[in-house]
Amino acid sequence: DSGVTQTPKHLITATGQRVTLRCSPRSGDLSVYWYQQSLDQGLQFLIQYYNGEERAKGNILERFSAQQFPDLHSELNLSSLELGDSALYFCASSSGADLYEQYFGPGTRLTVT
Amino acid sequence: DQQVKQNSPSLSVQEGRISILNCDYTNSMFDYFLWYKKYPAEGPTFLISISSIKDKNEDGRFTVFLNKSAKHLSLHIVPSQPGDSAVYFCAASQGSGGGADGLTFGKGTHLIIQP
Repeated sequence: DSGVTQTPKHLITATGQRVTLRCSPRSGDLSVYWYQQSLDQGLQFLIQYYNGEERAKGNILERFSAQQFPDLHSELNLSSLELGDSALYFCASSSGADLYEQYFGPGTRLTVT
Repeated sequence: DQQVKQNSPSLSVQEGRISILNCDYTNSMFDYFLWYKKYPAEGPTFLISISSIKDKNEDGRFTVFLNKSAKHLSLHIVPSQPGDSAVYFCAASQGSGGGADGLTFGKGTHLIIQP
């Protein structure tokens, strides 16, 4: 158990809809990262938040957004969903001391029909 | 453009033998490398890492070697055990200090340990 929790575990929704994925980092970790794992692309970095502020952006679509709240939990919002957005979405966290080692949650499987 | 490549999608090794997983990268700005292990229906689990100022790092049965001039790293598992059967991801970071940026992952190698 990494200490990172993600909800929900599974989500099935229709094209055009909007969903919110939630992540709670390990206790004490200030950084939260979001990744997308699809069959053909592998694990792709989407976005990072550090202590409430956006810190780094990867391959995140404009239809996707994220935020980190004062209690350090984070939410990833996906809107105008397309079939190609079906994937596993992972959240990871790291502490200020462990600059590079990131600890991953179990993921949310999103299916867009 | 894939910056981190794991060219073997799968690898089968006999229990007790050495498993060697390989990874190549193209971005010379990467300065920290990590290996993650992933079981089905779970998130990746951090295994071992190496900074670009080193060429070797050991942790129990796991050793990572880094060859900067060849832009190549490898993970050695000795001896291999049945519980090592999993997908192994190589990842790299261009850390800027004060908190790492996102990791760039390879597509993974599925290691199968044969009894």
